[in-house]
Amino acid sequence: SYVLTQPPSVSVAPGKTATITCGGNNIGSKSVHWYQQKPGQAPVLVIYYDSDRPSGIPERFSGSNSGNTATLTISRVEAGDEADYYCQVWDSSRDHVVFGGGTKLTVL
Amino acid sequence: EVQVVESGGGLVQPGGSLRLSCAASGFTFSSYAMSWVRQAPGKGLQWVSAISGSGGSTYYADSVKGRFTISRDNSKNTLYLQMNSLRAEDTAIYFCAKAPSDSQGVTDYWGQGTLVTVSS
Repeated sequence: SYVLTQPPSVSVAPGKTATITCGGNNIGSKSVHWYQQKPGQAPVLVIYYDSDRPSGIPERFSGSNSGNTATLTISRVEAGDEADYYCQVWDSSRDHVVFGGGTKLTVL
Repeated sequence: EVQVVESGGGLVQPGGSLRLSCAASGFTFSSYAMSWVRQAPGKGLQWVSAISGSGGSTYYADSVKGRFTISRDNSKNTLYLQMNSLRAEDTAIYFCAKAPSDSQGVTDYWGQGTLVTVSS
């Protein structure tokens, strides 16, 4: 089955840039979506189809996808960005949704 | 305003059954694919099942295939998840999520979830 690998944790100082990676075999050939989940809340879509932003998501959130790695970049990080972030793809070979294990973003 | 609200969670014994519901509003329900995603306590997100807008296509995670059944009643704007032969490892918050189209793969609105606890 298709596996997505994320670092368990990323730490960043306020105002700096956070980079969260999502590794998968030839993931660049798939569409990657990213979700933000704060404690006790439902996930929120922050990036879809690799780099598109839903309405209401700040421009500070951006995404890219190439080769074996997709990346979520958060610029000018704020305390309110502290959350768990999950990448997700559709594995068309098995008609399954696959989530990464999640990355906890800590704002120092 | 788009809303999806889950209900039906609770405590059930191993081997038992439960049916979850997800009431949708604020959009043309039959035009959108829907999914169930769960999250065990302290763990990450795990996809469970998905269904097309018409209900004609359904998809399941290997861990629930043969035990869970996803369905929808477009006349009632409601999504269901029938869960049979429940196991302790099915204990989780179950989220209902809407896709931005009738295609699978991404979800743009999620409910707050309903807790299912499988324990004797």
